[in-house]
Amino acid sequence: NAGVTQTPKFRVLKTGQSMTLLCAQDMNHEYMYWYRQDPGMGLRLIHYSVGEGTTAKGEVPDGYNVSRLKKQNFLLGLESAAPSQTSVYFCASKDRVSETQYFGPGTRLLVL
Amino acid sequence: RKEVEQDPGPFNVPEGATVAFNCTYSNSASQSFFWYRQDCRKEPKLLMSVYSSGNEDGRFTAQLNRASQYISLLIRDSKLSDSATYLCVVKGAGSYQLTFGKGTKLSVIP
Repeated sequence: NAGVTQTPKFRVLKTGQSMTLLCAQDMNHEYMYWYRQDPGMGLRLIHYSVGEGTTAKGEVPDGYNVSRLKKQNFLLGLESAAPSQTSVYFCASKDRVSETQYFGPGTRLLVL
Repeated sequence: RKEVEQDPGPFNVPEGATVAFNCTYSNSASQSFFWYRQDCRKEPKLLMSVYSSGNEDGRFTAQLNRASQYISLLIRDSKLSDSATYLCVVKGAGSYQLTFGKGTKLSVIP
């Protein structure tokens, strides 16, 4: 039981490049979330999903897209990376009953 | 007023000390409350939920004051391993989302 995993762990992009961050969970959780964490800003919700095939915007969705084609996977896409998207990205999941969110280990992204 | 506010610290305390963290939230309809712990360069992990009557888990005690919209975390007999950032987290009624405070950094010194 791996819990929540994220790939890649670290990535360097040039401005304008695109990439996809992958989150996978093996706990059969319905809800999944993407956050970014910046110094002095705390965790901010980018997008979330309440089930397969559904997505919704969080607090800071601009510049990101997401997809939840399979229940266990939640993808975060950056179509045209900007230096302001340099951050640590965390994925999380939770089931319907428990309030506990389980986080992945994070992806460190540097946009030059 | 920010939704969830915490003193950022850092709190530097000696081993064995008692330390308390406070957190205020702005949405009076908030329903669920938590403390998460985040070690340096790691992901956040649930430390404990906060119940209306207050609750204790070993050396950790959490309290909620709905009237003042205030949550607290008390750590007794601090250990070196308690060094981390403590995140105050609030969930609104009927919401799928959690709102995180910016965290309070604790360093326990030998």
